[in-house]
Amino acid sequence: VQLVQSGGGLVQPGGSLRLSCAASGFTFRRFWMHWVRQVPGKGLLWVARISSDGSGTTYADSVKGRFTISRDNARDTLFLQMNSLRAEDTGVYYCARDPGGVLQFADALDYWGQGARLTVSS
Amino acid sequence: AIQMTQSPSSLSAYVGDRVSITCRASQDIRNELGWYQQKPGSAPKLLIYAASTLQSGVPSRFSGSGSGTDFTLTISSLQPADIGTYYCLQEYNYPWTFGQGTKVEI
Repeated sequence: VQLVQSGGGLVQPGGSLRLSCAASGFTFRRFWMHWVRQVPGKGLLWVARISSDGSGTTYADSVKGRFTISRDNARDTLFLQMNSLRAEDTGVYYCARDPGGVLQFADALDYWGQGARLTVSS
Repeated sequence: AIQMTQSPSSLSAYVGDRVSITCRASQDIRNELGWYQQKPGSAPKLLIYAASTLQSGVPSRFSGSGSGTDFTLTISSLQPADIGTYYCLQEYNYPWTFGQGTKVEI
């Protein structure tokens, strides 16, 4: 199982950026996926999740209406489109797989990407 | 949102010591809690899911217990490889929420 992320960078406030997470080594279309953010030197914040077929999404209140999680099951890739970026969105973003309902009954985040750093600053 | 209160925020112990970290949820989350270890510069790693089930490949010195609102991660014999920051995560409802983290030092 591998999750390889790309797309981080430096963006001005109000700008946009899209993160990608390419999956391999497992049947991507079967699993729910999540994004988690880590503020430098601080803790972890759950950001968003998407169902296996992409029909269901949920967001943290802090990103609702600005971020969009999506997936392309034909390309085994997860996305996070981030618009109207703010300084407080700065951090390292991780994609993660949820084995719940597929490999086990319970939800969890069993495999993580390597992280993509986003800096929002003028 | 469910609040997860984790304690202590940091601890220092000797190799071989038994170490415990606790998480308290602001409401009943049944057993829908996981524990994660993070080393500097790396992504978090799943240790325990469903409060007490050891993830495949994780050493048996790690164990989890609890249900409802109070949960504990225990390392039975602390090893140098165990240094890092530990987080609990509730998956009972959205938004999922993490504890603030516990930094473990030798």
